[in-house]
Amino acid sequence: EPEVTQTPSHQVTQMGQEVILRCVPISNHLYFYWYRQILGQKVEFLVSFYNNEISEKSEIFDDQFSVERPDGSNFTLKIRSTKLEDSAMYFCASSGEATEAFFGQGTRLTVV
Amino acid sequence: GNSVTQMEGPVTLSEEAFLTINCTYTATGYPSLFWYVQYPGEGLQLLLKATKADDKGSNKGFEATYRKETTSFHLEKGSVQVSDSAVYFCALTPGAGSYQLTFGKGTKLSVIP
Repeated sequence: EPEVTQTPSHQVTQMGQEVILRCVPISNHLYFYWYRQILGQKVEFLVSFYNNEISEKSEIFDDQFSVERPDGSNFTLKIRSTKLEDSAMYFCASSGEATEAFFGQGTRLTVV
Repeated sequence: GNSVTQMEGPVTLSEEAFLTINCTYTATGYPSLFWYVQYPGEGLQLLLKATKADDKGSNKGFEATYRKETTSFHLEKGSVQVSDSAVYFCALTPGAGSYQLTFGKGTKLSVIP
């Protein structure tokens, strides 16, 4: 069964450092998403990406965040200068045309 | 804005007990409603969905009915198993071209033999 894969499963980074979270969406999907879940809180939408551009983004997704689809298979989330409050589980998801979103297993980001 | 409220956990049930997890929503327009499940150590998986009022989503013995009049989408299962132990998330997408999911806080279910 096709699945969304995320790497790494756990990333520890120092405050102020740049971090890139990687995702391989399901191959024939067209829509790509990032969500995050701070420990004990709700899963929150960050951004959606379609046709090589951002289609929606939340207030959380400020100038510190960027997304990219550098080739035909990867979808990345970059945080330029990490803060302690960026510590969370980050989920990548993808969907086809008018289908539900399929999620990856998540990357746990710890900023120290 | 859109929001989803679901019952706080954790919920602990004995095997074969009846399960209800309440979920209510606030949204304009005609949202689609979802239940996602997260088993320990895994990602979010779609459990069931309903895209219009009075639709019933069902999967693996779980059911939920889209009730527009009460803005609810309660999850039910007649007889839970130990393998159903997981965190359950109610969610919506607002429609009108937006696929952004808004989630509830999640309800942790533990089923004991």
